[in-house]
Amino acid sequence: EVQLLESGGGLIQPGGSLRLSCAASGVTFSAHAMTWVRQAPGKGLEWVSLISGSGISIYYADSVRGRFTISRDNSKNTVDLHMNNLRAEDTAMYYCAMLGNGPNDYWGQGTLVTVSS
Amino acid sequence: QSALTQPASVSGSPGQSITLSCTGTSSDIGFYNYVSWYQQHPGKAPKLMIYDVSNRPSGVSNRFSGSKSGNTASLTISGLQSEDDGDYYCSSYTRSGTWVFGGGTKLTVL
Repeated sequence: EVQLLESGGGLIQPGGSLRLSCAASGVTFSAHAMTWVRQAPGKGLEWVSLISGSGISIYYADSVRGRFTISRDNSKNTVDLHMNNLRAEDTAMYYCAMLGNGPNDYWGQGTLVTVSS
Repeated sequence: QSALTQPASVSGSPGQSITLSCTGTSSDIGFYNYVSWYQQHPGKAPKLMIYDVSNRPSGVSNRFSGSKSGNTASLTISGLQSEDDGDYYCSSYTRSGTWVFGGGTKLTVL
């Protein structure tokens, strides 16, 4: 059974930094691109960032480019999202997901990031 | 990176059929057959209902079906049931190598 488990969320002041981590199990991790998706309270899903299985190809949403950095460690089956210069509008539930694999589409339960003073 | 366009809300009575729309561009829905539909209930992670435009994952009711025409994808739910109540999101792969989601449709089963 594939499991994705996010961690690292919490309350952070505007301008602060946070690192989210996602641990995968039950899957050949290096074979899959990993994605971060967020959902602000009461709002819709927003794609945030993607990293290819090898880690060579990386993409960001315009809203986070230059502030967020995605990385992965295939030896540990983890993918991280380093978030800098956080803003109130970054407040959201952050999901780690494997998308685009046909029916093998997996999401974690999410980790909540709250940016507030 | 504009979001796909979905109606904010749709409602229907039990037993009815409803269709949710999702409009993108020639760089996402119109270019690839990588359209997915998700159902989300409050406090839960999204659940895949349709992938690659019209395919159902194992365990998803055959009351759910998907299609695409040009830049618009559709999700049809037949024989509406109370448990279908929730939020529905479409997503598509894009020519930029990224994913894009719709703003979501709140389905209310009356």
